[in-house]
Amino acid sequence: EAGVAQSPRYKIIEKRQSVAFWCNPISGHATLYWYQQILGQGPKLLIQFQNNGVVDDSQLPKDRFSAERLKGVDSTLKIQPAKLEDSAVYLCASRRPGQGAVGELFFGEGSRLTVL
Amino acid sequence: KQEVTQIPAALSVPEGENLVLNCSFTDSAIYNLQWFRQDPGKGLTSLLLIQSSQREQTSGRLNASLDKSSGRSTLYIAASQPGDSATYLCAVSNAGGTSYGKLTFGQGTILTVHP
Repeated sequence: EAGVAQSPRYKIIEKRQSVAFWCNPISGHATLYWYQQILGQGPKLLIQFQNNGVVDDSQLPKDRFSAERLKGVDSTLKIQPAKLEDSAVYLCASRRPGQGAVGELFFGEGSRLTVL
Repeated sequence: KQEVTQIPAALSVPEGENLVLNCSFTDSAIYNLQWFRQDPGKGLTSLLLIQSSQREQTSGRLNASLDKSSGRSTLYIAASQPGDSATYLCAVSNAGGTSYGKLTFGQGTILTVHP
């Protein structure tokens, strides 16, 4: 089966500009996650979707970050305006349906953001 | 709040050595623990998934153990090879409450295996 697809792989912007990242999970995976990984740290959950509904966005900086998954498949993560501290790799992951919290997580290659 | 710690932060070994990576977590109410590998500039690749009811999982030269009550897991790599060089991350899936199913990661162990 095809893996989790993400784009763009790399993006360089200046602070206060906006950026959007796209994720296409593995076909049939109902649960989708966006993680932020700052260099030298483990990934931190930003938002979790179950189909097109938000399950957990407690760590999403809502003043500048937004995410949507309108049809329960693809998802977009947007940052506006970007700050220097947003420089990180943004990872998308998905889980099989019916697995709940016990299923294996599959990650995409990530989108690396550099804010100058 | 679940916290995951990995020790050591970095490890350098000669090829052929057996090695152990450690992971500890503060809240034992977990569904499972997953070990990942991350190569530079790449995403995470799942290595092993241990459910909370299991004690260990094996895949090839890798063996992961879980002691849920003491909040510890180890990843054992036998006969290490240069191709094993990567960052290894452990993550726990939290059970119950507002953290249901949330994956909490450690900061990773950077492994270098030199020829």
